[in-house]
Amino acid sequence: GAGVSQSPSNKVTEKGKDVELRCDPISGHTALYWYRQSLGQGLEFLIYFQGNSAPDKSGLPSDRFSAERTGGSVSTLTIQRTQQEDSAVYLCASRRGGLDGELFFGEGSRLTVL
Amino acid sequence: SQQGEEDPQALSIQEGENATMNCSYKTSINNLQWYRQNSGRGLVHLILIRSNEREKHSGRLRVTLDTSKKSSSLLITASRAADTASYFCATDGREYGNKLVFGAGTILRVKS
Repeated sequence: GAGVSQSPSNKVTEKGKDVELRCDPISGHTALYWYRQSLGQGLEFLIYFQGNSAPDKSGLPSDRFSAERTGGSVSTLTIQRTQQEDSAVYLCASRRGGLDGELFFGEGSRLTVL
Repeated sequence: SQQGEEDPQALSIQEGENATMNCSYKTSINNLQWYRQNSGRGLVHLILIRSNEREKHSGRLRVTLDTSKKSSSLLITASRAADTASYFCATDGREYGNKLVFGAGTILRVKS
């Protein structure tokens, strides 16, 4: 596609359920990022994939959070046993590669945990 | 922890005025970027300035970088109501594993 695509755009779930958020980056972009943005706040780094290297998971807030990137393309962020504090917008971004350059963001997945 | 901190947190100006937002950071960087976010949307890249550059222009945007003070400023000239958005700086530095770290943002409101 022309841009970064995220799904679902909105997800409402009950506390304790698992959720999966999907990100389809721009074709050919080797770097992929997940960020979390709580209401009115800045972006909190979660995880970073670069090519075939081991991902940088240093931002994942707990072991309930995990992410994978299959075939160097699509990524899935999984949150197990969701809590109300997990409610936020989850943003995915990709970039062409290398060590710098602009990020291209998706529109985000808004997660609400009741 | 956040690398960049924007100042002010919120700014309200009249259409036609200039808007200046500042960003301070803590560690050495490879480059600094500014992004814009309209309410409820993803972020859009505005401009990138490298650590060996001092000033950069793009249309009505002017970005400066002072690595000795670890600070940057974004100037939007002749603002328009459509410039109303949140603006974030992001830094890309070796000490953060070369991942892009964002500040908390400045909310800009341009009144028509």
